[in-house]
Amino acid sequence: GQNIDQPTEMTATEGAIVQINCTYQTSGFNGLFWYQQHAGEAPTFLSYNVLDGLEEKGRFSSFLSRSKGYSYLLLKELQMKDSASYLCSGPGNTPLVFGKGTRLSVIA
Amino acid sequence: DAGITQSPRYKITETGRQVTLMCHQTWSHSYMFWYRQDLGHGLRLIYYSAAADITDKGEVPDGYVVSRSKTENFPLTLESATRSQTSVYFCASSESTGGSYGYTFGSGTRLTVV
Repeated sequence: GQNIDQPTEMTATEGAIVQINCTYQTSGFNGLFWYQQHAGEAPTFLSYNVLDGLEEKGRFSSFLSRSKGYSYLLLKELQMKDSASYLCSGPGNTPLVFGKGTRLSVIA
Repeated sequence: DAGITQSPRYKITETGRQVTLMCHQTWSHSYMFWYRQDLGHGLRLIYYSAAADITDKGEVPDGYVVSRSKTENFPLTLESATRSQTSVYFCASSESTGGSYGYTFGSGTRLTVV
């Protein structure tokens, strides 16, 4: 089956860097996604990794290691507006399974 | 307007009543999905559809019914609402079950069953 684990909560300081980890157990890997969800809003797509390595997109980067079943989302130069939940999802070719999300609080 | 829309945004209903949540997308995406989101559980798949007239169960289908007579619409019906179905419901669409752009979500329906 598919089991996606990520920390429940994290706190970081404005301007800092934070890394949100995600581990997964599955077969039939078909990509690993990260979504951002602000309180009271819908999830929005952030990144997609299908090959090992780091994908950079502005202040956000996502890393994947398929052999380890491990991914992380790296947020640089944190801003207050980055306070949100970050959802790891994937990774099979069946409908996406989502982790429970990591609630990130950015403090001044 | 292009996109994926859900209605209503908020709904309060009584135990035992039937309620239908609507979802409409304008992209002609093949796949549509219904998730519920609850504290402590994250997003859980209720039902999904690969095309018109094709639907399949997800992780938590009990108490729900779906239909997809047209590609653009994917309504979710609670046949006899229970308090445990109080939740936020998200509809999503995609070109495939995965794909490099993942899913696009509607704004959600917050349902309260009293």
